[in-house]
Amino acid sequence: AQTVTQSQPEMSVQEAETVTLSCTYDTSESDYYLFWYKQPPSRQMILVIRQEAYKQQNATENRFSVNFQKAAKSFSLKISDSQLGDAAMYFCALIQGAQKLVFGQGTRLTINP
Amino acid sequence: GAVVSQHPSRVICKSGTSVKIECRSLDFQATTMFWYRQFPKKSLMLMATSNEGSKATYEQGVEKDKFLINHASLTLSTLTVTSAHPEDSSFYICSARDRPGRVTGSSYEQYFGPGTRLTVT
Repeated sequence: AQTVTQSQPEMSVQEAETVTLSCTYDTSESDYYLFWYKQPPSRQMILVIRQEAYKQQNATENRFSVNFQKAAKSFSLKISDSQLGDAAMYFCALIQGAQKLVFGQGTRLTINP
Repeated sequence: GAVVSQHPSRVICKSGTSVKIECRSLDFQATTMFWYRQFPKKSLMLMATSNEGSKATYEQGVEKDKFLINHASLTLSTLTVTSAHPEDSSFYICSARDRPGRVTGSSYEQYFGPGTRLTVT
């Protein structure tokens, strides 16, 4: 069975600083995808970044980047130059094949002005 | 592109009545749609997976007769909460996955609707 674990229920960071959200996962497959989703107060799920397991290069989307350590089954999200609009719940998720998306417990990120 | 809508965004109903929530893919054909339930400050819990033209697959512990799911077309899935009770009050989110082989993005990516807040009084 696949599992995703986010060990940080809450994180906070000063505006303009950098913060890293942790995620570990477990799967027996070699082909899978990992995602970070953002859920702001509106509760709309927004895809932040996606990583294909077969790609060694870490994905980057503007201020968001990941540190994908396949052997360690770790997939952390780094947010650079944090902005007030980054405040949200962040969910790490895993999917393999045509199966269901498995979510972590979530990390609530607060941005301090 | 890849927009999913849900209707209604909020609904209040009396205990014992049924309520229907619609999930539509606006600009793509969704072979598979998913229904999630989310409690406050918690993660998304998958309730069921629906494939167009076939019966939904429910997760363990989800009552099939209470949460009726219909996926009659490639752009519409509905969730009907039957004989609703206050404990059914929650935030319900749908997502849709497009046909495999779509040009942009992963064929595994799910696009989420904005959610429906159900309150049963």
